[in-house]
Amino acid sequence: EAGVAQSPRYKIIEKRQSVAFWCNPISGHATLYWYQQILGQGPKLLIQFQNNGVVDDSQLPKDRFSAERLKGVDSTLKIQPAKLEDSAVYLCASSLDPARHEQFFGPGTRLTVL
Amino acid sequence: QQPVQSPQAVILREGEDAVINCSSSKALYSVHWYRQKHGEAPVFLMILLKGGEQKGHEKISASFNEKKQQSSLYLTASQLSYSGTYFCGTPFSFSGGYNKLIFGAGTRLAVHP
Repeated sequence: EAGVAQSPRYKIIEKRQSVAFWCNPISGHATLYWYQQILGQGPKLLIQFQNNGVVDDSQLPKDRFSAERLKGVDSTLKIQPAKLEDSAVYLCASSLDPARHEQFFGPGTRLTVL
Repeated sequence: QQPVQSPQAVILREGEDAVINCSSSKALYSVHWYRQKHGEAPVFLMILLKGGEQKGHEKISASFNEKKQQSSLYLTASQLSYSGTYFCGTPFSFSGGYNKLIFGAGTRLAVHP
């Protein structure tokens, strides 16, 4: 079974630039998550999709972050414009059900904002 | 909302045991455990779905005390491969009947020869 795919794996940009991350979840997983993980901290949920609808984006800085999941499969997360504090690993995960089933994580994208 | 993990860090010699605790200020009906090795994504270890449940993964087991709103992860006869950061996650229910997982800050475990 193929795992969660993410690209790119690494990205270095300057502040105020824009960046986009892509995620392809495990086939059949209705729930897709984007997490931000700052060094030394646990993953922080940015946005959660159920199929192609957003069910939670309470922690997403909506003035600069946006995400979409077209057709309920692939997803993209965009930051525009980036700030220094956005430097982190962005993890995409998918699951069958958030409470009762495990989440499968992709390898992550390490973003460095200079 | 965020569960509290303790200790923050543990250093072990190979073969030693360790216990990692996860507690919540809110009622729990399940607890998830993940391990993240340096530079890698978190990997699922186990889910405990009801109070009193205990599960095992290799020589790693966990218990869930619903009344105390806490879970403990037991690492027995630790191996070098156990090194990493352990996260517990607790579900948070919100409108529409949906759930999301809130992760603790993590416990760093280092196992030395």
